[in-house]
Amino acid sequence: GENVEQHPSTLSVQEGDSAVIKCTYSDSASNYFPWYKQELGKGPQLIIDIRSNVGEKKDQRIAVTLNKTAKHFSLHITETQPEDSAVYFCAAPLLSGGGADGLTFGKGTHLIIQP
Amino acid sequence: EAGVAQSPRYKIIEKRQSVAFWCNPISGHATLYWYQQILGQGPKLLIQFQNNGVVDDSQLPKDRFSAERLKGVDSTLKIQPAKLEDSAVYLCASSLDRLGLTQYFGPGTRLLVL
Repeated sequence: GENVEQHPSTLSVQEGDSAVIKCTYSDSASNYFPWYKQELGKGPQLIIDIRSNVGEKKDQRIAVTLNKTAKHFSLHITETQPEDSAVYFCAAPLLSGGGADGLTFGKGTHLIIQP
Repeated sequence: EAGVAQSPRYKIIEKRQSVAFWCNPISGHATLYWYQQILGQGPKLLIQFQNNGVVDDSQLPKDRFSAERLKGVDSTLKIQPAKLEDSAVYLCASSLDRLGLTQYFGPGTRLLVL
């Protein structure tokens, strides 16, 4: 099955600066890479996702890039705001080949926005 | 559109007791997932349903965990007997179908086993 590594575990940035979180995956057949934001006491919320047929996707201040050759994908948040403070998780399909499509998650990055 | 509903939100039990969690997915979503999230970690898939059939339960500790989705809508996850290491948040998610991929999560049930 797929294995996802996420770095860093904690990231502190000044308000208004950019934040970048990186993930690597092991299965070259993986074709879907979502990013989730989880606030304290809440379930994960999908913020952006990318499929393997594109290299970059952007949604306002959030972007995701995918490098299939190196098997890594990154989340970019620009002009960070206090409400961006949360734990962010990357994920990939647990099994390739269409057998099932549950997700395997990274260990998470605690993003802290300093005022 | 209403989101994924879960209950209870919190549960405290003693080890060796049993506990059950309930999930109501987004209306019309055929695929339902149960994840376990231990403090400080990402969610881990326990079981996936497509309608009322099991698609993947390879990571479900079947000696103590069971789950069902009898009518293809609501689902129940049960632990019997509970162990200390079962303390975690149990998350339910749903997606439109197996090709939809986008999974929407509920708020979770926080379980503490003493």
